[in-house]
Amino acid sequence: EPEVTQTPSHQVTQMGQEVILRCVPISNHLYFYWYRQILGQKVEFLVSFYNNEISEKSEIFDDQFSVERPDGSNFTLKIRSTKLEDSAMYFCASRASREVYNEQFFGPGTRLTVL
Amino acid sequence: LAKTTQPISMDSYEGQEVNITCSHNNIATNDYITWYQQFPSQGPRFIIQGYKTKVTNEVASLFIPADRKSSTLSLPRVSLSDTAVYYCLVGPISSGSARQLTFGSGTQLTVLP
Repeated sequence: EPEVTQTPSHQVTQMGQEVILRCVPISNHLYFYWYRQILGQKVEFLVSFYNNEISEKSEIFDDQFSVERPDGSNFTLKIRSTKLEDSAMYFCASRASREVYNEQFFGPGTRLTVL
Repeated sequence: LAKTTQPISMDSYEGQEVNITCSHNNIATNDYITWYQQFPSQGPRFIIQGYKTKVTNEVASLFIPADRKSSTLSLPRVSLSDTAVYYCLVGPISSGSARQLTFGSGTQLTVLP
């Protein structure tokens, strides 16, 4: 069964450093997402991406965040200058169809720890 | 997006049927009801989706009454591995905007031996 993969599984960084979280969505999917989940809290939407541009973003997704699909297979989330409060699980998801509430496939997540 | 209300937690024993109810009083005509499951330190996983009456797949059943103001996820004969958080999401299926899923707090199901 096809699946979304994410690397690394765990990233530890110092406050103020840049991090890039990587995702490989399911190959025939067209819509891509990043979510985050702070420990013990809700899964929160960050950004959606379609046709090589951002479709929607939440208020969490400020100027220190960026996304990119550099090579047609990878989908990355960059945090330019990490803060302590960026510590969370970051989940990538992808979806095949245009129907919004149809199934999104989530990756296993990257645990980001900012020290 | 319709607001949803679920119990915070539920306990069950192995082999029992578990029913988790979600209230969504302000559901709109175009809204579908979708359930996701999340294990600790993993991403959410789609379980089932429906619009009205009953939907069944190999994992669960979804019961939606005629007024659609609530829905019930039914898990038959649960096992320890069904211990997870279960999320009810309500929103439109549209062919336009690539909108996000909105997760609430979910229901923590704990299956006991």
